[in-house]
Amino acid sequence: GAGVSQSPRYKVAKRGQDVALRCDPISGHVSLFWYQQALGQGPEFLTYFQNEAQLDKSGLPSDRFFAERPEGSVSTLKIQRTQQEDSAVYLCASSLSGDIYEQYFGPGTRLTVT
Amino acid sequence: GENVEQHPSTLSVQEGDSAVIKCTYSDSASNYFPWYKQELGKGPQLIIDIRSNVGEKKDQRIAVTLNKTAKHFSLHITETQPEDSAVYFCAAGHRGNNRLAFGKGNQVVVIP
Repeated sequence: GAGVSQSPRYKVAKRGQDVALRCDPISGHVSLFWYQQALGQGPEFLTYFQNEAQLDKSGLPSDRFFAERPEGSVSTLKIQRTQQEDSAVYLCASSLSGDIYEQYFGPGTRLTVT
Repeated sequence: GENVEQHPSTLSVQEGDSAVIKCTYSDSASNYFPWYKQELGKGPQLIIDIRSNVGEKKDQRIAVTLNKTAKHFSLHITETQPEDSAVYFCAAGHRGNNRLAFGKGNQVVVIP
């Protein structure tokens, strides 16, 4: 069946621009997670949704980062006034259960801020 | 918070040999330990996971063992094949903290 999809796959932004990254989770999956992966590192947690409720946003690095999942399916991660340190791969994962188990990842969006 | 460490950082094995990657974790509350395989340009792929109520789990050529007392868990790949070449990440977590903490990854190279 269809897995997690993310768009765009690649995004180049000039410093100071706003970007929006989209995640389409596996249909019916309750939990949705966003992670940030720097080059050569493991994914780092950003935020967690259970259906439309954002239950944990403690991993968001600054108030320039904002995530939403208004109808409990598609999610958008928005970064305002991008900085060079925001350059990374942004990964989305979803899970059927309403918790951390069996997370399935999308291919990621590679963001480059110039 | 949880801290997960992986060793070794790079592992080269001859095709057909076994590969073992070990991870340690710090939070004794962690009770879920998945392993992910990531190929270049792709997202992490869940290959096997284990929960703290069991000590070992196998799925064809891969297995995971867990030692809760020592706070470490290992991935075992037998009869390695060139397509096993990838970066492998371990992770740990528990329901109460809403997230997985990942290690930095191991590059596994299978030499034909």
